[in-house]
Formats: sequence, C-alpha cells, structure tokens
Amino acid sequence: AQSVTQPDIHITVSEGASLELRCNYSYGATPYLFWYVQSPGQGLQLLLKYFSGDTLVQGIKGFEAEFKRSQSSFNLRKPSVHWSDAAEYFCAVGKLSGAGSYQLTFGKGTKLSVIP
Amino acid sequence: DTAVSQTPKYLVTQMGNDKSIKCEQNLGHDTMYWYKQDSKKFLKIMFSYNNKELIINETVPNRFSPKSPDKAHLNLHINSLELGDSAVYFCASSQGWTGLILEQYFGPGTRLTVT
Repeated sequence: AQSVTQPDIHITVSEGASLELRCNYSYGATPYLFWYVQSPGQGLQLLLKYFSGDTLVQGIKGFEAEFKRSQSSFNLRKPSVHWSDAAEYFCAVGKLSGAGSYQLTFGKGTKLSVIP
Repeated sequence: DTAVSQTPKYLVTQMGNDKSIKCEQNLGHDTMYWYKQDSKKFLKIMFSYNNKELIINETVPNRFSPKSPDKAHLNLHINSLELGDSAVYFCASSQGWTGLILEQYFGPGTRLTVT
C-alpha cells in the first residue's frame, strides 16, 4: 500500500528565509505526487503536482518541488518565505482506486510558522 | 463562484443523532470524494464516487453512507453519531480517469462536533 511520510511536524522560519519541507513516499509504481496547503480554518489548495517529465515542478505562490526517484522524495521549496505562507502543508500520493476515480493518501502534514 | 461548496460549515449535534452534510461542485467533474480530517489534522479518504462505482475505504463504519442525487452533488449521511465522529469532513472533486490523474479540488470543510 502507498504511504507518505512528512518527517517534520512543525517548522519555524524567519520571514525572507528559504524553506524546504520534506516528503517521502512509498509506492510501487510511478507516483502521482501533490502538495496541498491548508490555511487555518480553510480547505486545501493545490500548490503543485508531479505526474511525469521534468522532475522540478513549479507551483503557485513561488513554490517548487523536486521529484527524486532514487530517494523516494518530493520536497517542497521556496526561496523566500512570506508571513502569509504560515499554514499546514500536506504532501500526497495519488493512486487509481477504480474505474475513473483515484484516491489521495496524505502525509500527516507539516505546520509552518513564520517569524516576522 | 465557489468551485466546491459544503453545507453546513459547522455542525454540533448529540450522540445517537443522524445528520447529513451536503456537497456541491460546479466544475463539471464526474468524480467526488469525502475525506475525514481528525483532531491531529490527519486526512484520510472515506469514499470516492462516480457514475461507475462507489469505492469505500474499508475502515469507514457502515453508519456512513454517501448519496449522490446527481453528478454535481455528493452528500454524506451519518447515522447514530458517536463521539469519535467529531472531525472536519472535506468534500473534493476531480475529473475522472482520462489517462492522467488530475488534481482534486477541495471544499472548505464541515466541522462536526458530537457531544
């Protein structure tokens, strides 16, 4: 069965500093990988996704992620964090679950706090 | 226009009651989902549903049942509510399998509190 591990429960960075959130996955085939962000009291918003091709993917809000098959990782990065980036970040792997649908398996999330 | 909407946003009820949460999407998607987010923020799939089949996560109690009156709606019915059902429930939708897995769009969530 597929699984996702986000090793860091909580990360605190200063505004303007760079950020890297770690994600490791376990999946038997080519993974479909996603990063979602959840602001307090809000739903989940897709930041970026990887299906195939270029292993460095660009997303919204200045985020990017790099797929490394050899390390089973899909780490999220941002060169300069803004206070508004404070939120919960979820990595997920998608798997086909039947005729026409698929299911996301999420990691447990990493809470990002930003110091002004 | 809200892409995926849920009602109500908050739901407080007593143990043993039966309740429903409604979900509507205006994206023209043909697959919808329900997820449960527990108090530790862990998100877990409960159901996925399209006009072809319903996929149920084996850990979901049969007190939970999705009902879809049409392609744009997937409601969640919960019978005999228990304290452990307290959580945030998210609805999501996506285009069905077209050779690529496409992203899921999430609703704002419904916070269910069982007392």
